[in-house]
Formats: sequence, C-alpha cells, structure tokens
Amino acid sequence: NAGVTQTPKFRILKIGQSMTLQCTQDMNHNYMYWYRQDPGMGLKLIYYSVGAGITDKGEVPNGYNVSRSTTEDFPLRLELAAPSQTSVYFCASSYPTAEAFFGQGTRLTVV
Amino acid sequence: DQQVKQNSPSLSVQEGRISILNCDYTNSMFDYFLWYKKYPAEGPTFLISISSIKDKNEDGRFTVFLNKSAKHLSLHIVPSQPGDSAVYFCAASARGNNRLAFGKGNQVVVIP
Repeated sequence: NAGVTQTPKFRILKIGQSMTLQCTQDMNHNYMYWYRQDPGMGLKLIYYSVGAGITDKGEVPNGYNVSRSTTEDFPLRLELAAPSQTSVYFCASSYPTAEAFFGQGTRLTVV
Repeated sequence: DQQVKQNSPSLSVQEGRISILNCDYTNSMFDYFLWYKKYPAEGPTFLISISSIKDKNEDGRFTVFLNKSAKHLSLHIVPSQPGDSAVYFCAASARGNNRLAFGKGNQVVVIP
C-alpha cells in the first residue's frame, strides 16, 4: 500500500521561482490537505479539499495555490517563491471524521 | 493564536517507565482529539484518538485521557520503549470539520 506519496522529497528554489509539489493518494479518501511545518512549530494548514473540484483556504494560504481535478491528486503550487516559504510541506488525506494519513514530506529551501 | 498548546517541549524518560505528555486547547468547539508520532524525515503517523463523548481511550501501551472542563488532554505511554523516541503532536478538530489544529510537539527521548 503506497498511501500518500509526495514528490519531490527535497528541493532548493531561488527567490522568485515557481514549483509544484505533487501529492497523490491511493486510499480513495475524499479529504486532502496541505500542511507546512516550520522548525519548532506545529503543522499549519495551507489548503484543503473535501472532494474533486472543491478546495478551500486553510490558516496560511498566501503565496500558494491548489487544484483538485481527481480524487487521487492534490498538487500545491508555489508562485514567486520567497524565503518565508522555506519549510517542510506535508500532504495528508482522510475519510470524513477520521484520522489523516500523511506523506513523508517535502523539504523546501528558498535561497 | 495557538488553539492547541503543548508545553514542556522535551521529555527524557527511562525505558520501562511511564511517559506523560500534556496538551491544552482553547477552542470549546473542538470535539475530536488525536495524537500523532513523528520520526525525523518522516511524516506524522496517527497514534490514538479520543472523542469528546469519552474521557479515556486505550490502545495497548498508549492511553489518552480527556478532561473537557479543563480543556486538557494527556497521553500516557507505559512502559516506554526506545522506539517511542520521537516527536509527539497533539491535534484537535471541531465537529463536521476535518481541519486539524496542531500543537508544537513534544520531543520524547527514551533512555535504554
């Protein structure tokens, strides 16, 4: 069982560059999420989706965009990368009212 | 505004003894609480949860206690094992809302 798969695992971006963090899940979960974790901090919700075609902002959405064209995939787009977006990004999925399963994370550094 | 708070960022405990992790929350709408365990360079892994209709939930060596009036929950690990060395996150969500609010985490080190 693959669960939640994130790519890439590591990435270094220059200020102003763009990239897409990929996330796919094979558990047929309706709900998917993107979190970021800064050093010494808990996870903060960036965007979430309750099903294909439906997305909504979380706690820290600025500088990011998402799309959900299929149940399996939930990519996170960074436009005009900034040093403040240096973080570890986690994608997760779940059934409604159930625990979330997380991917292994993407460590992003913006220089 | 931190809705889920975990104080005492790190805890060292001898193997075989009890580890107790505490978590406080401020949002009275929270009704579902979870603990996640995280190893370095891995994603968080679900450990145990509790609904607000209960005050205790047990799963093997892990027990979570909920005190709704105090808006406080705790995780007990007994006996602690070296493989329990990890960061533990407390998380909470409100009814009908799967968005989890996380605490900052507690580093647990179990000394063999």
